[in-house]
Amino acid sequence: GDSVTQMEGPVTLSEEAFLTINCTYTATGYPSLFWYVQYPGEGLQLLLKATKADDKGSNKGFEATYRKETTSFHLEKGSVQVSDSAVYFCALSDKRQGAQKLVFGQGTRLTINP
Amino acid sequence: DTAVSQTPKYLVTQMGNDKSIKCEQNLGHDTMYWYKQDSKKFLKIMFSYNNKELIINETVPNRFSPKSPDKAHLNLHINSLELGDSAVYFCASSQGSTNTGELFFGEGSRLTVL
Repeated sequence: GDSVTQMEGPVTLSEEAFLTINCTYTATGYPSLFWYVQYPGEGLQLLLKATKADDKGSNKGFEATYRKETTSFHLEKGSVQVSDSAVYFCALSDKRQGAQKLVFGQGTRLTINP
Repeated sequence: DTAVSQTPKYLVTQMGNDKSIKCEQNLGHDTMYWYKQDSKKFLKIMFSYNNKELIINETVPNRFSPKSPDKAHLNLHINSLELGDSAVYFCASSQGSTNTGELFFGEGSRLTVL
């Protein structure tokens, strides 16, 4: 079945450091790809998405490019802030009968120190 | 005004008891979901309803019974609670017919079974 693998956490960085969180996927067909973020004590919220190969999703300084040849969707940010501390989930979608079945990676906890 | 709201936020109960978690969305979406997040942050889909019809049921034990009285509500009832049911349960919604993968999540309901 479809699956998503993210780099193991936790990841700890200093403010203004460069961030990369790796994500690779296995899927039949061409799924849409997503990054969701979960801030402490909150539900998940969509950070960015890409719906086809070579698309780049971006939001709040974060970027990720849909790479079909390497089946990857790595999350990057040039200069992280303390407020970026959260758990980040990579996901792919499998649409069935009007419902979006999101398959999530295991999540990567990111902590940014001032 | 909370888009996807779940109650209760915290639930502590004994093994063998029966409990329910309620979810309501005011986004006008036609599809709702229950996800389970375990202690290691793994997120897995349990159920999805589209227009009150069950369309995704991911090999969840029969002790779990979702009920959707209307498009805006999806409740989760759990019978004979077990220790392994301890987790955070997230409700989510989406507009099934046009959606490209964005789900809107509630804040989660943390269930602790003693």
